[in-house]
Amino acid sequence: AQSVSQHNHHVILSEAASLELGCNYSYGGTVNLFWYVQYPGQHLQLLLKYFSGDPLVKGIKGFEAEFIKSKFSFNLRKPSVQWSDTAEYFCAVRSPVSGGYNKLIFGAGTRLAVHP
Amino acid sequence: ETGVTQSPTHLIKTRGQQVTLRCSSQSGHNTVSWYQQALGQGPQFIFQYYREEENGRGNFPPRFSGLQFPNYSSELNVNALELDDSALYLCASSEAAGLLRGTEAFFGQGTRLTVV
Repeated sequence: AQSVSQHNHHVILSEAASLELGCNYSYGGTVNLFWYVQYPGQHLQLLLKYFSGDPLVKGIKGFEAEFIKSKFSFNLRKPSVQWSDTAEYFCAVRSPVSGGYNKLIFGAGTRLAVHP
Repeated sequence: ETGVTQSPTHLIKTRGQQVTLRCSSQSGHNTVSWYQQALGQGPQFIFQYYREEENGRGNFPPRFSGLQFPNYSSELNVNALELDDSALYLCASSEAAGLLRGTEAFFGQGTRLTVV
């Protein structure tokens, strides 16, 4: 079965520290890859997405992610975090499913706390 | 704001009861997906509706059912509620697309269901 693994469940950083959140997926075919963020009390928001082309993807709020096909990875990075980045981050994969529909498979999430 | 609205925002039900959750999709989107997000976990796919037909389903029992209406709004119904059904229920709308079109899903803020 397809699955998504996020290696860090909780991350605590100080402001200005660099961030890297790991994400690995199990599907070997064509995939779309996403990172979503969920701020406290708010809906899931798309940070960035990879469909094809340049494997280094830039998203909103200074986030970027790199797709490494050989490692089945899509790690999220930010050079310098801010207190406002405190949130839960979800990696998700979309792949073809028999029957013609597509669904997102989410990782368990990483809860990031940034201290001033 | 994503343009996807869900109601109600919070709900408390008793075990064995039935519940209906509602979702209005973003304008121009004809596909609605429902996800269940249990505490501390990532969202899990329940099912998807495209043009009023269910065209994909995750690993959820038949007591989870849904509808999509001609205006593409949707309902999620859960019968015979169990304590483990307590979760955040998310609705996502998108354009119908395969991977080649590379569209994204937009999420509502969710309905928090508590079963006691």
